[in-house]
Amino acid sequence: EVQLVQSGAEVKKPGESLRISCKGSGYSFTSHWITWVRQMPGKGLECIGRIDPSDSYTNYSPSFQGHVTISADKSSSTAYLQWSSLKASDTAMYYCARHAYDSSAYSPFDYWGQGTLVTVSS
Amino acid sequence: QSALTQPASVSGSPGQSITISCTGSSSDVGSYNLVSWYQQHPGKAPKLMIYEVTKRPSGVSNRFSGSRSGNTASLTISGLQAEDEADYHCCSYAGVHVVFGGGTKLTVL
Repeated sequence: EVQLVQSGAEVKKPGESLRISCKGSGYSFTSHWITWVRQMPGKGLECIGRIDPSDSYTNYSPSFQGHVTISADKSSSTAYLQWSSLKASDTAMYYCARHAYDSSAYSPFDYWGQGTLVTVSS
Repeated sequence: QSALTQPASVSGSPGQSITISCTGSSSDVGSYNLVSWYQQHPGKAPKLMIYEVTKRPSGVSNRFSGSRSGNTASLTISGLQAEDEADYHCCSYAGVHVVFGGGTKLTVL
């Protein structure tokens, strides 16, 4: 069974750093790109960026370029999303999603993690 | 890239059909057969309902269908059921990047 299991909710202060994770199982982790998606409270979905776990090649959406870093560890089948200095405006639910097609950056998202709620407040 | 435009809300009675529109541009919806739709119940992760404009994943009811005309994609749900009440998000590739719509809240009256 394909699963993406994300790390638990986080409460942080502005300026702190954070890394959240997304562990894949039940499939070949290096064969499917992973995209990270943000959902701010009461709002729609926004694509942050994506990674090819086979070689850690990444694309970032222009709105997020330079604000976050996406990475992956093949050995643990885990993708990461990290911030070096959080802002209150980073408060949101964050999802990881698997690209459906083998080795394709241009795929629908067939499996999603359960989401990680990040709250940034002083 | 700009977000795709969806109505904030739609509603319908059980058994009726509803259509949710998703308007983009010639740079996204109008150019790529890579439009998808996701259903999201409160507090849950999104679920893929339609991909590549018209295709339905295994296990998704055939009451859900997708279409496109020009720069506007549409999701139609026929025979509305109470369990269909959820948020629906459209999504398209726009060159390298992905854009989502703002989401539409479907209320089953």
